[in-house]
Amino acid sequence: DAMVIQNPRYQVTQFGKPVTLSCSQTLNHNVMYWYQQKSSQAPKLLFHYYDKDFNNEADTPDNFQSRRPNTSFCFLDIRSPGLGDAAMYLCATSRDRASYEQYFGPGTRLTVT
Amino acid sequence: GQQVMQIPQYQHVQEGEDFTTYCNSSTTLSNIQWYKQRPGGHPVFLIQLVKSGEVKKQKRLTFQFGEAKKNSSLHITATQTTDVGTYFCAGRNSGGSNYKLTFGKGTLLTVNP
Repeated sequence: DAMVIQNPRYQVTQFGKPVTLSCSQTLNHNVMYWYQQKSSQAPKLLFHYYDKDFNNEADTPDNFQSRRPNTSFCFLDIRSPGLGDAAMYLCATSRDRASYEQYFGPGTRLTVT
Repeated sequence: GQQVMQIPQYQHVQEGEDFTTYCNSSTTLSNIQWYKQRPGGHPVFLIQLVKSGEVKKQKRLTFQFGEAKKNSSLHITATQTTDVGTYFCAGRNSGGSNYKLTFGKGTLLTVNP
């Protein structure tokens, strides 16, 4: 039944050690998004894929990268995590990007030690 | 850039009392969405408003979109403990890159039984 799946749910990494978070969807949606959400804050869009077209937000640090090898999967790579990157990372999908609702996954909580 | 302001940041009510959260955008919106995030959970889509002056109801929830399409509100009648969570509005610009949802900071609702 799960529509947007994120793995792992909790990830602990060391300062500077690369980490990859994964997201998969069973909805066959065209668009996949990655958001960063810190405690008691709004989700902040990092980037999104519209089909295979990658769209980065202007204020997303270069430390954050993404890959979408196929329609169903999308990955978030953090090349050198800093303490400030500790957050909940939410993956979301939508059928299209102009007017459709977004379906969020349960999130991956990243801790940086 | 587009800003979406949401007030209040927190609201504590007694069960049975009404609750309202307000959302204001610095720019005219093409549409606005509302999401609910339970404590420890992920945002879940509630509704989308598109038309100027639109009002939609979902049981005890009433959503409004302002005539100028720059503000919106969510009103809950007779709150219940199940209404606890953070309510986010998220708006899309009416021109240019209208794909991005900009989230307000959310209103955390707590309900005293």
